[in-house]
Amino acid sequence: DGGITQSPKYLFRKEGQNVTLSCEQNLNHDAMYWYRQDPGQGLRLIYYSQIVNDFQKGDIAEGYSVSREKKESFPLTVTSAQKNPTAFYLCASSIWSRNTEAFFGQGTRLTVV
Amino acid sequence: QKEVEQNSGPLSVPEGAIASLNCTYSDRVSQSFFWYRQYSGKSPELIMSIYSNGDKEDGRFTAQLNKASQYVSLLIRDSQPSDSATYLCAVNAGDLSGGSNYKLTFGKGTLLTVNP
Repeated sequence: DGGITQSPKYLFRKEGQNVTLSCEQNLNHDAMYWYRQDPGQGLRLIYYSQIVNDFQKGDIAEGYSVSREKKESFPLTVTSAQKNPTAFYLCASSIWSRNTEAFFGQGTRLTVV
Repeated sequence: QKEVEQNSGPLSVPEGAIASLNCTYSDRVSQSFFWYRQYSGKSPELIMSIYSNGDKEDGRFTAQLNKASQYVSLLIRDSQPSDSATYLCAVNAGDLSGGSNYKLTFGKGTLLTVNP
């Protein structure tokens, strides 16, 4: 089945620790995105990538890093510089075009313990 | 900063009623518009897309777009308890704003509760 796979579904991080969230897609989409969602809030864009080996900061990139070495993969690292990392993280992908929607993975819920 | 605003809600309607969800956007050159439904603890799923002025119907859902007024709405007819979810409006700026910018900007969402 074609789709977007995020792992793990739940992740616990100790303060001061870096963690990496995985996102893989087999939809052959050019663009991939990372969003953060806090309770009662909409989606805020962290980073996005239009093409392999290129990515741009979104609205809340501080404390996060990404890489795009393969078309299928767009991992997100939450660094210790992110002071409030507890949130629901959503990865999405799309065709990089005017009239196309984004498709989402099932999300990773990150909690700082 | 491109903005997408939704009525804050929560919106509560009785079963069988029409639910009306509204969204306004700030970027006049926005090209395409989407409504996503998100159940609690789950990821968003696309329910409607609309690209030109007017109405687009799909089953019990109707999306309405007015580019001159910069608003898009979603009507849900014969609302069911299973429609209870957060509805997110998303806007794609398109390729008229000084370069290709196809990333989606989301509103904060409106929580809809349909009461049996």
